[in-house]
Amino acid sequence: DIQMTQSPSTLSASVGDRVTITCRASQTTDSRLAWYQQKPGKAPNLLISKASTLESGVPSRFSGSGSGTEFTLTITSLQPEDFATYYCQQYKNLWTFGQGTKVEIK
Amino acid sequence: EVQLLESGGGLVQPGGSLRLSCAASGFTLRNSAMSWVRLAPGKGLEWVSAIFGSGNTTYYIDSVKGRFTVSRDSSKNTLYLHMNSVRAEDTAVYYCAKSRYIYGYEFDYWGQGTLVTVSS
Repeated sequence: DIQMTQSPSTLSASVGDRVTITCRASQTTDSRLAWYQQKPGKAPNLLISKASTLESGVPSRFSGSGSGTEFTLTITSLQPEDFATYYCQQYKNLWTFGQGTKVEIK
Repeated sequence: EVQLLESGGGLVQPGGSLRLSCAASGFTLRNSAMSWVRLAPGKGLEWVSAIFGSGNTTYYIDSVKGRFTVSRDSSKNTLYLHMNSVRAEDTAVYYCAKSRYIYGYEFDYWGQGTLVTVSS
């Protein structure tokens, strides 16, 4: 099984801040890594696939990078609608999610 | 337009059974791998089970093996999760999710979720 470790678990930030979330895999995922955003009471929404490919309709302030076992999600200039919980997910070997990172208002 | 609509959640006693349904529209189930993912109170997302496009291959996390069964009805284009011997720790919102391709990959569409509460 591939285990995913996300950090931090909670992040306090202000509108306009640059935010970075890290995800580490217990073994290489060959860049089969996705990022999701989830707001309370809503279904998750796919933001990024293949570690760095932005989904259609996702604002360009979101970006993903990394390879092998280390990945990051970056939000440049945080907007009010970006306060949510973010999850990484590997899909090389079935599926595993990270524990989630809650981005809250500072 | 792809849509996924879950139903069947509710209150069930420990040891009881429940069947969740996920009605799909805008695509054919057998052309995609489909999963069930849950979000327990105060916890993160957890992948639970999957059925691949062929319908002959299914996977489960260890904690539900032998208790949950994923299946699909191609004539109704509907995915199911049969939950038996439920436990308190199965309490969660259950989502069905569509993989981009028949053999898996990321989840490009999700349903709105259905709440399962296991309690006496």
